[in-house]
Amino acid sequence: NAGVTQTPKFQVLKTGQSMTLQCAQDMNHEYMSWYRQDPGMGLRLIHYSVGAGITDQGEVPNGYNVSRSTTEDFPLRLLSAAPSQTSVYFCASSYSASDRTYEQYFGPGTRLTVT
Amino acid sequence: GNSVTQMEGPVTLSEEAFLTINCTYTATGYPSLFWYVQYPGEGLQLLLKATKADDKGSNKGFEATYRKETTSFHLEKGSVQVSDSAVYFCALKHSTLGRLYFGRGTQLTVWP
Repeated sequence: NAGVTQTPKFQVLKTGQSMTLQCAQDMNHEYMSWYRQDPGMGLRLIHYSVGAGITDQGEVPNGYNVSRSTTEDFPLRLLSAAPSQTSVYFCASSYSASDRTYEQYFGPGTRLTVT
Repeated sequence: GNSVTQMEGPVTLSEEAFLTINCTYTATGYPSLFWYVQYPGEGLQLLLKATKADDKGSNKGFEATYRKETTSFHLEKGSVQVSDSAVYFCALKHSTLGRLYFGRGTQLTVWP
């Protein structure tokens, strides 16, 4: 059981480049989400999914796209990278979207720098 | 709306000192409450949780009690160790949409 995996661990992009951050979980979790972590800001929700084929925006969705074609995978796409997207990105998953008692499991993070 | 406020850090303690990190929340309905810990260079790990009023979550010597009357979920440990040095996040989960609302995190450093 690998849990939540993320690739790459580190990435440097130039302004305007695009890339995809990968996230996968092997726990058959219904709910998956992406957060970004910035100093002094805690974690902010970018996008989330309550099941395959269903995605929605969080509080900071601009500049990012997601899709959920399978239960296991939830990639995050940066369309045209900007320095403001320099951050640490965490993917998380949870067994249930609607049951508030289930905790979320986090991946190890991707540290992204945009120059 | 839903929000979490936790005490500003950083917190610096000597080994074996008593730890309290304050956390208060605003929420509609009846959320679940969580403490997550982030060790340097790692992702977040669940430390403990409580799902209803007066529940006490505990793990690795840490405790927190869900107080509905004061809308609080303060984290405590009686005797901290150097290995407890990390960032601690308080969070709430509302039943709607499954998302977590996080506090800003509190950096704890424990000196030998």
